[in-house]
Amino acid sequence: DQQVKQNSPSLSVQEGRISILNCDYTNSMFDYFLWYKKYPAEGPTFLISISSIKDKNEDGRFTVFLNKSAKHLSLHIVPSQPGDSAVYFCAASGVGGGADGLTFGKGTHLIIQP
Amino acid sequence: DTGVSQDPRHKITKRGQNVTFRCDPISEHNRLYWYRQTLGQGPEFLTYFQNEAQLEKSRLLSDRFSAERPKGSFSTLEIQRTEQGDSAMYLCASSLAGISGETQYFGPGTRLLVL
Repeated sequence: DQQVKQNSPSLSVQEGRISILNCDYTNSMFDYFLWYKKYPAEGPTFLISISSIKDKNEDGRFTVFLNKSAKHLSLHIVPSQPGDSAVYFCAASGVGGGADGLTFGKGTHLIIQP
Repeated sequence: DTGVSQDPRHKITKRGQNVTFRCDPISEHNRLYWYRQTLGQGPEFLTYFQNEAQLEKSRLLSDRFSAERPKGSFSTLEIQRTEQGDSAMYLCASSLAGISGETQYFGPGTRLLVL
């Protein structure tokens, strides 16, 4: 049973527009959420995170929104740039972070078109 | 470079051989994690260390897998009697333990191909 779900395997967005990547989770014990970006043959690179006590966190072009009641989070990238083309993973952890590691979704492949 | 490093980056081996991977975490990080990623999937947790103590193992970590972090710094992951199903990207991550909300930073991974 997948506890973190990214239901869109791919997303195509025009350069300069907003990219919105979605993630749903089922485990109510998750309290910290992260987004990672991954290029082929490289490890995931940390982008942005949010604690369950917040509903929004912003860092430059990246904003993460958390809706705890819906168990849903989203990553907004504005404006989208060609270098943003990559696979984006949503991940979640429980209290204390370590015990079960991070639980990842399957990823969304974002393609930024010129 | 002060990020997480992994060695080797690529490994091709024949079924039945043993392989060992190394991970060097970010120096001040006391937690170290191993994950496995296969095509079309997100990384899956295998095990983690706090300092030199291995505190948790996933059900994915069969008896053929063993991990060590002898001095609380670098870690090794050994796979004995490799099988074709072991072919995957093996990722290492490190973090600084906190009360909540720790961020894990990943290395570049070791891609294993078992023939």
